[in-house]
Amino acid sequence: QKEVEQDPGPLSVPEGAIVSLNCTYSNSAFQYFMWYRQYSRKGPELLMYTYSSGNKEDGRFTAQVDKSSKYISLFIRDSQPSDSATYLCAMRDNFNKFYFGSGTKLNVKP
Amino acid sequence: ETGVTQSPTHLIKTRGQQVTLRCSSQSGHNTVSWYQQALGQGPQFIFQYYREEENGRGNFPPRFSGLQFPNYSSELNVNALELDDSALYLCASSLGGGNQETQYFGPGTRLLVL
Repeated sequence: QKEVEQDPGPLSVPEGAIVSLNCTYSNSAFQYFMWYRQYSRKGPELLMYTYSSGNKEDGRFTAQVDKSSKYISLFIRDSQPSDSATYLCAMRDNFNKFYFGSGTKLNVKP
Repeated sequence: ETGVTQSPTHLIKTRGQQVTLRCSSQSGHNTVSWYQQALGQGPQFIFQYYREEENGRGNFPPRFSGLQFPNYSSELNVNALELDDSALYLCASSLGGGNQETQYFGPGTRLLVL
């Protein structure tokens, strides 16, 4: 079993839709949770991070963590064609080791 | 403020050879992490350097080694290259001391092993 599981998609939605991206994890030692966006042939770009259960909002993005279920989500409101990219969840344990999901490819159609 | 840079951008090697990849961290950052990203996969954590010391390591064999220099730039060395080492190698810099979640990634070095 992988440490972090993420549906690879692809996920195709119309412009303006609400997008929900999810990851599950198995290691209860994970304390820090991050979401990255990666455009083709670029390095990942940090979107949001959190270290507690609950919601964190930043503009059109909301990150949600449920530690009891070992489940994290990223919601994108009013999705735009420029949001088309691969979205990666990532987690860090207390030993400074980082674990990434395999990424979900999102396509927002105009 | 200068972003994270990596060199070279592309590299072709043959099996058994050795390779050195380089990373310049973002100005003011003292922590560098290296990742291997195979096609269609998420980045796999190789190791992290904080103030010139290794500060965490993923499940990679000892033929993957690294260095961090006093100016916080870093090298990743891979010995005895194997075909499966073909991947995008990413480095990310951050400010240590509890701010490591805010990592800034470079564009990567694409390595092909033939």
